[in-house]
Amino acid sequence: DTAVSQTPKYLVTQMGNDKSIKCEQNLGHDTMYWYKQDSKKFLKIMFSYNNKELIINETVPNRFSPKSPDKAHLNLHINSLELGDSAVYFCASRGFYEQYFGPGTRLTVT
Amino acid sequence: DQQVKQNSPSLSVQEGRISILNCDYTNSMFDYFLWYKKYPAEGPTFLISISSIKDKNEDGRFTVFLNKSAKHLSLHIVPSQPGDSAVYFCAASGDFGNEKLTFGTGTRLTIIP
Repeated sequence: DTAVSQTPKYLVTQMGNDKSIKCEQNLGHDTMYWYKQDSKKFLKIMFSYNNKELIINETVPNRFSPKSPDKAHLNLHINSLELGDSAVYFCASRGFYEQYFGPGTRLTVT
Repeated sequence: DQQVKQNSPSLSVQEGRISILNCDYTNSMFDYFLWYKKYPAEGPTFLISISSIKDKNEDGRFTVFLNKSAKHLSLHIVPSQPGDSAVYFCAASGDFGNEKLTFGTGTRLTIIP
């Protein structure tokens, strides 16, 4: 039974389009995150939500907008996609101290 | 400014021997440290963690050592197995894990049969 799931796993789209990535966790955790892994394989936090409330926003462009309809879901919407947005995006949720990651969504902007 | 550094991008170890992965940090406010393992096309998987109030934590074949004065931690895997081949990320957090994780750039470990 998947603890943190993301859809889609792969996303190929053209510059200027708007796209969304969905994340769901069935661990009962209150805190969820979005991370971006760039071409240099560096994992960097983008957003954190605690019980549907935004608590971390790491200087991410306004084109990125997270939405948390409930504490089990944290979706990421991206407007006006740019070439530099190409990366792998990971969703995670936090237990006591450790975070549990989803399988990632590979976004390719052409 | 990279606050968590893994200076070895890759490491090859013979099966059955000890693998030692290293991590350095610069932020003295970090007080909780974690190691994650990542296979291709999968998300990072939590391996082991250590709080700054300890200097060693052991879980089966995995042991993490923390040297606070040197701002250095290491992950020991013994004996190394082929299934340990993966990318290993070191991560650090403040407030005993309640803050965001800051990751290192990873070390690719290859276990040679």
